[in-house]
Amino acid sequence: AQTVTQSQPEMSVQEAETVTLSCTYDTSENNYYLFWYKQPPSRQMILVIRQEAYKQQNATENRFSVNFQKAAKSFSLKISDSQLGDTAMYFCAFMKHTGANSKLTFGKGITLSVRP
Amino acid sequence: EAQVTQNPRYLITVTGKKLTVTCSQNMNHEYMSWYRQDPGLGLRQIYYSMNVEVTDKGDVPEGYKVSRKEKRNFPLILESPSPNQTSLYFCASSFFRDRGSYGYTFGSGTRLTVV
Repeated sequence: AQTVTQSQPEMSVQEAETVTLSCTYDTSENNYYLFWYKQPPSRQMILVIRQEAYKQQNATENRFSVNFQKAAKSFSLKISDSQLGDTAMYFCAFMKHTGANSKLTFGKGITLSVRP
Repeated sequence: EAQVTQNPRYLITVTGKKLTVTCSQNMNHEYMSWYRQDPGLGLRQIYYSMNVEVTDKGDVPEGYKVSRKEKRNFPLILESPSPNQTSLYFCASSFFRDRGSYGYTFGSGTRLTVV
């Protein structure tokens, strides 16, 4: 079974600065996907970024980038030039590449506050 | 607009009174799933469906039922709700194309309170 660990329950960052959210996971799979989801106070789950395990290159989406270390089973999210709208809970999630159940296994989440 | 629609957004009910939370997607996705979100536990999968008439249990299926009679709809049924089913529920859908998955698209959530 897969597990996803987000060890920091809360973080805070000054507007315009950079922050990194940590995530580790445990799996015996070789091919899989990793995701970061954002949940603002509206509670909508919004996909921030995805990474395919077979790709060595780290994914980037505008101000969001990841540091994917497959051997260490680490998948951190870096938010550059933080904005007030980035205030949200962030979930790291794992999904197997194949199999009958393409379920997402989530970490417990981290609450990020961006200070003006 | 491509989306997953859940209804209702808020629901307060009494113990034992059957209820259904509806979910519909307009993206022709094969996979659909239900999750519940509880503080400190993240999101956990309740049931999933790979396609019409194909459903199976997730990690926390006790007390829930689902059906998939049409590709677009995947209702969640609580036959006899209990207070420990008070939670935030999400429906989500996804698809695979060749080697690619883009993750799940989530509905807006249903806040259920059972008293």
